[in-house]
Amino acid sequence: AQKITQTQPGMFVQEKEAVTLDCTYDTSDPSYGLFWYKQPSSGEMIFLIYQGSYDQQNATEGRYSLNFQKARKSANLVISASQLGDSAMYFCAMSLAGGTSYGKLTFGQGTILTVHP
Amino acid sequence: NAGVTQTPKFQVLKTGQSMTLQCAQDMNHNSMYWYRQDPGMGLRLIYYSASEGTTDKGEVPNGYNVSRLNKREFSLRLESAAPSQTSVYFCASSEGRTLAKNIQYFGAGTRLSVL
Repeated sequence: AQKITQTQPGMFVQEKEAVTLDCTYDTSDPSYGLFWYKQPSSGEMIFLIYQGSYDQQNATEGRYSLNFQKARKSANLVISASQLGDSAMYFCAMSLAGGTSYGKLTFGQGTILTVHP
Repeated sequence: NAGVTQTPKFQVLKTGQSMTLQCAQDMNHNSMYWYRQDPGMGLRLIYYSASEGTTDKGEVPNGYNVSRLNKREFSLRLESAAPSQTSVYFCASSEGRTLAKNIQYFGAGTRLSVL
């Protein structure tokens, strides 16, 4: 069974600075996907970025990048040039490619990010 | 762009009452999912439907049933609500063809309280 761990319950960052949100995962399956979602106070879940286990390069989407270290089983989210609107809960999630687990997301407990002006 | 639409947005039930949460997507996605989110926790999968005509249990299926009515719609039913089912419920959908394409898109959620 897969597991996602987010060890930072809360993080603070100054506006315009970069911040890294930690995520480690555990699976014995060689083929998997890692996802980050943002949940603002309004409650919706917003997809941010995806990294496949066989991808050679770290994923980037605008100000979001994923620092993927396969040997360490970590998939940290880096947000550059933080904005006030980045204040939200952030979830790391994983999906396995094989068998009956295909497509099902397992979520971590989340990290609350607060951006200070 | 409606995406994934959930109804209702809020609901209060008494213990033992039944209700159905509705979900519809307009993205022609194959797979649909129901999750619950409890305070301070990530989402946990209740049931999912990999494709029209199929449904399967997730991590926390007890007390729930689902129906994949057609490709667009996936409903979640609570037959006899219990206070432990107080939660925020999210429906999601994805293309479901490859892992890279299996990005799940979520509805706005249904906040359910069972008294």
